[in-house]
Amino acid sequence: DADVTQTPRNRITKTGKRIMLECSQTKGHDRMYWYRQDPGLGLRLIYYSFDVKDINKGEISDGYSVSRQAQAKFSLSLESAIPNQTALYFCATSDLSVSGLYNEQFFGPGTRLTVL
Amino acid sequence: AQSVSQHNHHVILSEAASLELGCNYSYGGTVNLFWYVQYPGQHLQLLLKYFSGDPLVKGIKGFEAEFIKSKFSFNLRKPSVQWSDTAEYFCAVNFNDYKLSFGAGTTVTVRA
Repeated sequence: DADVTQTPRNRITKTGKRIMLECSQTKGHDRMYWYRQDPGLGLRLIYYSFDVKDINKGEISDGYSVSRQAQAKFSLSLESAIPNQTALYFCATSDLSVSGLYNEQFFGPGTRLTVL
Repeated sequence: AQSVSQHNHHVILSEAASLELGCNYSYGGTVNLFWYVQYPGQHLQLLLKYFSGDPLVKGIKGFEAEFIKSKFSFNLRKPSVQWSDTAEYFCAVNFNDYKLSFGAGTTVTVRA
């Protein structure tokens, strides 16, 4: 079974619709992240959460909101989708290393979202 | 401002050729460095990482990277590529803070 799962994998929607993308993980990590990937821009951080009660904005949070329902679940919402939110969205998780240093992130398979 | 630069947008190689992808960052402090690969239609996977110690890091699938602190660089290399190395490669840097900053990515196409 995959450690980080995302649903749906593909979604086509219309401008103005509300959309929710879901992420679940079985890695037991406290830290979860949402990124969007656009050609030529790499991955940009939308929101991140270090635990259930800790939610923080990333570089490009405008137009998005998140909910950390449990340690294992982190959802991304587009309240009113617009065409320039068409992108590939990735969820990721990480923990701290034993020494307390930053550690690698593990990525889900991605959700391809198209806003018409 | 802290940033990550990947020099090549698209690299095209023949099988058995050597590969080197450049990555530079702008920051004078402690960094943690990563290279991720994204095969067509798949999610990002970690190739290798550097936190400290030997600046020459070996990763999976025959890849290696060298951290040169004086040049703020972390270039990825593979001596002999295969068709299956066709993918997009991302350099990522943790600037001793809460997140990873990604380069724009380099698409590598290996021709048989």
